[in-house]
Amino acid sequence: DPKIIQKPKYLVAVTGSEKILICEQYLGHNAMYWYRQSAKKPLEFMFSYSYQKLMDNQTASSRFQPQSSKKNHLDLQITALKPDDSATYFCASSQEGGTNERLFFGHGTKLSVL
Amino acid sequence: GEKVEQHESTLSVREGDSAVINCTYTDTASSYFPWYKQEAGKSLHFVIDIRSNVDRKQSQRLIVLLDKKAKRFSLHITATQPEDSAIYFCAASRNSNNRIFFGDGTQLVVKP
Repeated sequence: DPKIIQKPKYLVAVTGSEKILICEQYLGHNAMYWYRQSAKKPLEFMFSYSYQKLMDNQTASSRFQPQSSKKNHLDLQITALKPDDSATYFCASSQEGGTNERLFFGHGTKLSVL
Repeated sequence: GEKVEQHESTLSVREGDSAVINCTYTDTASSYFPWYKQEAGKSLHFVIDIRSNVDRKQSQRLIVLLDKKAKRFSLHITATQPEDSAIYFCAASRNSNNRIFFGDGTQLVVKP
């Protein structure tokens, strides 16, 4: 059974629209992350949360907003979608959010913006 | 910021042979180097890591080597099996935060 659930698996959106990517983890972890993998680019760190608080943010655009309604949830809201936002978005978690922790990844949400 | 490069985008070996995946990094402050594996249709999962206080680590058929002077590290898979076929990602991070920088991935194919 997957312990990190990402919904949906595939998502198609039109330019200018808004979408929310869902992530829930059932590992009992206290830290959650978002990573993005675009075509021909390595997996890029976006956000990290620990105990529902933002720890680190490497995403310049305010169009990307993480939302943590519960400790085991970290959704990603993306507004004013652009074709360049097309990528696979991976949610991950770790025990505490400290340094050198092993990450556990979800299966990813593949977003295509037309 | 840190830039991690994986030198082989694809690697094909015969079952039973060894496979070596090489990575370099740019940030001298990086001190933690994990490796992740992604099998077809599955998510990434951790396989092995090495910290900068050692230059070699082994876990069963996996060996990681670290050369801090050259800012280079590598994953050696011995006695490869078809189930080793996957995309392998090397990564690096500093000890001061948990931001991990990944390489592009190496597609390893183990032929029976």
